Formats: sequence, C-alpha cells, structure tokens
Amino acid sequence: KNQVEQSPQSLIILEGKNCTLQCNYTVSPFSNLRWYKQDTGRGPVSLTIMTFSENTKSNGRYTATLDADTKQSSLHITASQLSDSASYICVVTEYSGGGADGLTFGKGTHLIIQP
Amino acid sequence: NAGVTQTPKFRILKIGQSMTLQCTQDMNHNYMYWYRQDPGMGLKLIYYSVGAGITDKGEVPNGYNVSRSTTEDFPLRLELAAPSQTSVYFCASSLYTDTQYFGPGTRLTVL
Repeated sequence: KNQVEQSPQSLIILEGKNCTLQCNYTVSPFSNLRWYKQDTGRGPVSLTIMTFSENTKSNGRYTATLDADTKQSSLHITASQLSDSASYICVVTEYSGGGADGLTFGKGTHLIIQP
Repeated sequence: NAGVTQTPKFRILKIGQSMTLQCTQDMNHNYMYWYRQDPGMGLKLIYYSVGAGITDKGEVPNGYNVSRSTTEDFPLRLELAAPSQTSVYFCASSLYTDTQYFGPGTRLTVL
C-alpha cells in the first residue's frame, strides 16, 4: 500500500530560525511530489511540485529537495516568520496514466513559530 | 477569479439527515475532487471528476454521492448522515493532474 510518512509530527521554533521538515514515501511508480501549506481553518495551498528529474525547487524562503532513489523529500524553511505557522503536507502522486486518484497525502507537520 | 468556493462553512446535522455540500470553481478546470480531513489525519479522497458527466470513486466513497453536470460545479451529497461523517470537507480543482487548488472547507458535525 502506498504510504507517505512525515516527520516530525509537530515542531516549535523561534522566529528567524531555520527548520527542515521530512517526507518519506513508498509510492510507486512515482510521478511527482508536492508540498502544501495549510493555515488553520483553510484549505491547503501549493508550495512546490517536483518530478522525478528535479532535485531542488525553491519558492521564496521555502526550498524543497527530492531524492527519488531513497524516496525522501525535505522542505527547508529559511528565516522563519510568524506567518509560517501552519501545517505542511507532503503529497505524492502515483503515475497512473492520467488518473486522478493516485494521490497519497501525508498527515502533515504542524509548525509553530514563536516570537 | 474567486477560485474554489464552498458552502456552507459550517453545518450541524442530526443522525439520519441529508445535505448537499456545494463546490464551485471559476478557473475552467477539468478535474475536481472531494476530500475529507479528520483531526490529525491526512486528506482522504472521497470522489473525483475528470470532466462534466464523469465521476469516479476515491478511497472513502461510502455514504456519499456526487454529480458533475457542469464544469464549474461539483456538489457532494450526504445521505443518512452518521457520526463517522463528522469531518472537514475540502473541494479542490486542477486543470489536469497538476497542482490542485483547494476551497476553504466545510466543517460538518453529525450529532
């Protein structure tokens, strides 16, 4: 069964500090991996999407990495801000020839930025 | 563009009641999805649609029905509500199997 495991489950850091969130997956065959940010009470918003051939992708202070060989991804947040407080969800898509049901969602990492 | 809109934002149902969660997108996306998110759990796909007139089951379809008569709308119907359906429901859309855009969610409680 396809699985996406995220760690840590929750994380508290001080404003201005950096942090790294982890995502391990067993989804196969692999199509792409996405990181979403979900603010409390809101729907998820896409941060990055990476395909098999991409190792790194940045979106402002967010940098995602992908190692397709070890099936691991990380999301690095630089110089954290209070507005970064949210849940970060890793989503891996199975290559299913165009089908829309091949997504596996992680449970998310709940990040709290303290002033 | 308003993006993906959902109504209502909150709803309390009694066991056995029925209701329809509305979802509309104005981005002319082909694909639409319904997810539920239980506390501390990942999103689970209920139903999805790849275009008007076409729907298919996701991981947890039991107790729900959908229809897609237009590109813009993808309502989710709950028949005979049960406490196990207490959850937050998210509608999403995408052009194809690329980035999904999510609505703000509907928080449903079944008592």
